[in-house]
Amino acid sequence: DQQVKQNSPSLSVQEGRISILNCDYTNSMFDYFLWYKKYPAEGPTFLISISSIKDKNEDGRFTVFLNKSAKHLSLHIVPSQPGDSAVYFCAAYSFTGNQFYFGTGTSLTVIP
Amino acid sequence: SAVISRKPSRDICQRGTSLTIQCQVDSQVTMMFWYRQQPGQSLTLIATANQGSEATYESGFVIDKFPISRPNLTFSTLTVSNMSPEDSSIYLCSVAIFRDSPLHFGNGTRLTVT
Repeated sequence: DQQVKQNSPSLSVQEGRISILNCDYTNSMFDYFLWYKKYPAEGPTFLISISSIKDKNEDGRFTVFLNKSAKHLSLHIVPSQPGDSAVYFCAAYSFTGNQFYFGTGTSLTVIP
Repeated sequence: SAVISRKPSRDICQRGTSLTIQCQVDSQVTMMFWYRQQPGQSLTLIATANQGSEATYESGFVIDKFPISRPNLTFSTLTVSNMSPEDSSIYLCSVAIFRDSPLHFGNGTRLTVT
């Protein structure tokens, strides 16, 4: 049973425009949400996180939004750059369950 | 964040053999985990490596197949035993410095079983 879902396997965006990556989850007990970026042949790299007590967290070009009622989070990248081309995974964590659950990833291509 | 090193980076192994993957962290960490990423799929947790005691395995993974050691707070090994082609995957070590901090990953070991 996939508790974290990324329904878009791929996304293409023009350089300079906004990239929006989406993620849905099913477990209302999740406390903490994260986004990771993965280049080929490398491990995932932590990008940004958000606690369930917040609805927005910003770090430079990256902003994560959390909508708890809809069990939905999104990652906005503005402006998108060719170096952002990678696979992005969302993850959710429950402090009581002590486990991270990952989505299946969205492959982002930023076109110069 | 922690710097995570793994050995080997990749290997091609024959069916029925075993491979041990090592994970070394440059600082003491509270939590260490082993994940697997099969082609086109998400990251799947194999087990939590517990320092000084037996690992905690997720559903579908057993100690006989994936024995794990964690002798101290900076080192762990995962063995893939009696390998079959279905074990071909990327195996990743990940750590969290504290219980409520992000997971950090090493680069993973690409295993191919022929």
